[in-house]
Amino acid sequence: DGGITQSPKYLFRKEGQNVTLSCEQNLNHDAMYWYRQDPGQGLRLIYYSQIVNDFQKGDIAEGYSVSREKKESFPLTVTSAQKNPTAFYLCASRSTTEAFFGQGTRLTVV
Amino acid sequence: GEDVEQSLFLSVREGDSSVINCTYTDSSSTYLYWYKQEPGAGLQLLTYIFSNMDMKQDQRLTVLLNKKDKHLSLRIADTQTGDSAIYFCAVILTGGGNKLTFGTGTQLKVEL
Repeated sequence: DGGITQSPKYLFRKEGQNVTLSCEQNLNHDAMYWYRQDPGQGLRLIYYSQIVNDFQKGDIAEGYSVSREKKESFPLTVTSAQKNPTAFYLCASRSTTEAFFGQGTRLTVV
Repeated sequence: GEDVEQSLFLSVREGDSSVINCTYTDSSSTYLYWYKQEPGAGLQLLTYIFSNMDMKQDQRLTVLLNKKDKHLSLRIADTQTGDSAIYFCAVILTGGGNKLTFGTGTQLKVEL
């Protein structure tokens, strides 16, 4: 079954801990993206990658880190430096034409 | 202003047409997208249009692109209650390293 998978769907962490969100795609897409969505808000770009072993900061990269060691995978780490990490995180992958999203991970930091 | 802008709310009666508008700033945008988001879910790709097209129709959906005015619209014919959701337009900002940039989203409410 082709697509883009984010896991887990819900994640709870204590303040001060780093946490890594998974994003995997089997669509053979080169470009991948991470967004953050806050309640009632639009999507803000955190990081994006256009090719393996390369990535760029988006508009709100502070407190986050990524890696792109494999084409299929683009994990996002939310570090303890991120001041307001509780949010809905969305991952996308894009071919030349279409861009698809995963179902999102809702991160709650307590 | 913002790179991609949308109005926040739209309310229509069931059976009427809905038109959701979007304006963008990057005249070199190549692909422009419309997504639907239901509560608690990810974004569902509805349709997209390439910048050399003026119009694209897909069943009840019609996308119109005015490149001169940098204006994109999504028309939903015969709007149903199941169409109630948030609709996002998104563009590839080629001037920004191929960032996929989203508007703020339009909340569509369909009333009986």
